[in-house]
Amino acid sequence: QSALTQPASVSGSPGQSITISCTGTRSDVGSYNLVSWYQQHPGKAPKLMIYEVSKRPSGVSNRFSGSKSGNTASLTISGLQAEDEADYYCCSYATSSTFGIGGGTKLTVL
Amino acid sequence: QLQLQESGPGLVKPSETLSLTCTVSAGSISSSSYYWAWIRQPPGKGLEWVGSIYHSGSTYYNPSLKSRVTISVDTSKNQFSLKLSSVTAADTAVYYCARLLVDYDSSGYATGWYFDLWGRGTLVTVSS
Repeated sequence: QSALTQPASVSGSPGQSITISCTGTRSDVGSYNLVSWYQQHPGKAPKLMIYEVSKRPSGVSNRFSGSKSGNTASLTISGLQAEDEADYYCCSYATSSTFGIGGGTKLTVL
Repeated sequence: QLQLQESGPGLVKPSETLSLTCTVSAGSISSSSYYWAWIRQPPGKGLEWVGSIYHSGSTYYNPSLKSRVTISVDTSKNQFSLKLSSVTAADTAVYYCARLLVDYDSSGYATGWYFDLWGRGTLVTVSS
């Protein structure tokens, strides 16, 4: 089980789009379409935003989208809003029914 | 709506065993499509998957913690529990319990495998 690699921070102005990358290996992201993304505000529990690479749970804004290419998954947030400022984590199923989780990316809305 | 609630001591001494329980309310822990998981987060740091359990008792553990972790389930109480032995200051963290959705398609390929519901978390500090 290995950690996935995310940028430590990203930023954008209201209304702009940003993309957060999540790089794994052929043992996790590269082999399974089982990548999920979580949003965490300070002092709160994480919230599921994307599952199975690109699917949105009911109630999550369509400004959030996900994709994958090879060993790298991405989360894109369009039309940035102040409320999007949070930490974001990617997570992938890995061999032997384990999980890899990224180190987290702090999103700042300027 | 199903809810998860962590409980247990907030302070544990070094070398002792950390014990936490997660109570599942307004729903059954024996649902066929779900595993149950523990995930932790050291102060100011990222998330780390600790392990998962099915209501049958089948478990999966993070290899880096496997030698010290035991996760168990009590279906009669609708609870699952975490024990982490020989703790050190590095085990100080907010511990979350979560529901893990797991499914398989008609070809037998895994689908889901995401944490769709989380408890509020409980801070456990390891200190003498």
